[in-house]
Amino acid sequence: DAGVTQSPTHLIKTRGQQVTLRCSPKSGHDTVSWYQQALGQGPQFIFQYYEEEERQRGNFPDRFSGHQFPNYSSELNVNALLLGDSALYLCASSATGWGEQFFGPGTRLTVL
Amino acid sequence: AQSVTQLGSHVSVSEGALVLLRCNYSSSVPPYLFWYVQYPNQGLQLLLKYTSAATLVKGINGFEAEFKKSETSFHLTKPSAHMSDAAEYFCAVSIVGGGADGLTFGKGTHLIIQP
Repeated sequence: DAGVTQSPTHLIKTRGQQVTLRCSPKSGHDTVSWYQQALGQGPQFIFQYYEEEERQRGNFPDRFSGHQFPNYSSELNVNALLLGDSALYLCASSATGWGEQFFGPGTRLTVL
Repeated sequence: AQSVTQLGSHVSVSEGALVLLRCNYSSSVPPYLFWYVQYPNQGLQLLLKYTSAATLVKGINGFEAEFKKSETSFHLTKPSAHMSDAAEYFCAVSIVGGGADGLTFGKGTHLIIQP
């Protein structure tokens, strides 16, 4: 079992650009959640996808959007990047009815 | 809305000593509580979770936590610290079970183990 995988590992962008991050959930999981972890902080919930729909959203602007595919993999898109978007972006997957979220290693985004 | 407060951004203990990491939560409904550990440049690994089955929860690597409703606390303990326990620890809360909602995390506690 490969666990939760994320790509790319690192990414450098400039202000105003757009970025897409990808996540493949753990085998058997159908729910994907995205979190932003700024340096020295705890992760903050961005949104969760289930059955290809956004089920819940945290306090993030519309510049953050996502998608879930039929195979349960997911993308996180961020438009009009700001310096403050620099962070570690974590993807977590879970199976409906189970309480545990499994986290991937994250994508380190740097905005210059 | 729910929230988590972790007291002490850094905790330092000697190898072999008791580890105590503090977590207090706020929730308008009975919460689900979690402790995660994060090693440098890695994602989060679940140590243990409270889902109302038992107030004393045992996790991996010798860690345990006790849910105290009257104190709104869920402190993490380990009787004897090991060098490999040095990491960042996060307490988290959710209000819907089954992984069906986002977790709210505390700011984390950096555990330092002195030889």
